[in-house]
Amino acid sequence: DTEVTQTPKHLVMGMTNKKSLKCEQHMGHRAMYWYKQKAKKPPELMFVYSYEKLSINESVPSRFSPECPNSSLLNLHLHALQPEDSALYLCASSQLDMGFLTGELFFGEGSRLTVL
Amino acid sequence: KQEVTQIPAALSVPEGENLVLNCSFTDSAIYNLQWFRQDPGKGLTSLLLIQSSQREQTSGRLNASLDKSSGRSTLYIAASQPGDSATYLCAEIKAAGNKLTFGGGTRVLVKP
Repeated sequence: DTEVTQTPKHLVMGMTNKKSLKCEQHMGHRAMYWYKQKAKKPPELMFVYSYEKLSINESVPSRFSPECPNSSLLNLHLHALQPEDSALYLCASSQLDMGFLTGELFFGEGSRLTVL
Repeated sequence: KQEVTQIPAALSVPEGENLVLNCSFTDSAIYNLQWFRQDPGKGLTSLLLIQSSQREQTSGRLNASLDKSSGRSTLYIAASQPGDSATYLCAEIKAAGNKLTFGGGTRVLVKP
């Protein structure tokens, strides 16, 4: 099973709403990632969790709040977003060796977010 | 600073022609290089992973090579089909790192 599952597939929210994106994997991977992708651009890294601890935050605005409740789950809490935050949000996971990425990254299908 | 470059940005070929996709990276301290396929509005599908100790990987009609000395990786797709139309992205993983750095991607159209 090389599946990363993301929900919801589509989300429309207003600028005052609070919502969450969810990601789940059962491959025993100890690294999980959030990426943001705008149209016709490559994915941009937002956050990395290694062994359930936040290891990288690419200077993401605080209106995006990640959470890793356990080794299989990753959430992205959204609050007071702006229209320019509309994008495809991708979750990924990978195995770690001594804390470093050594193998493949596996991506989910993404959550398409529209902020009105 | 763009550390991983993919040229051309778009490519159109007739069905049956072989595809050659290029990826250039500037950091010789590369650990792995991974090739992905992305269909419009979808997630990324991993195609091939080449470790720095390897020179190539093959899967079916796909073959990826890695030349660390020249800072290049090439993805070959033999006998292209319309179903191969997608965006292809390469990404490098640095030694002692835990994140990917993506190239800008090459959008491929295979015409029937």
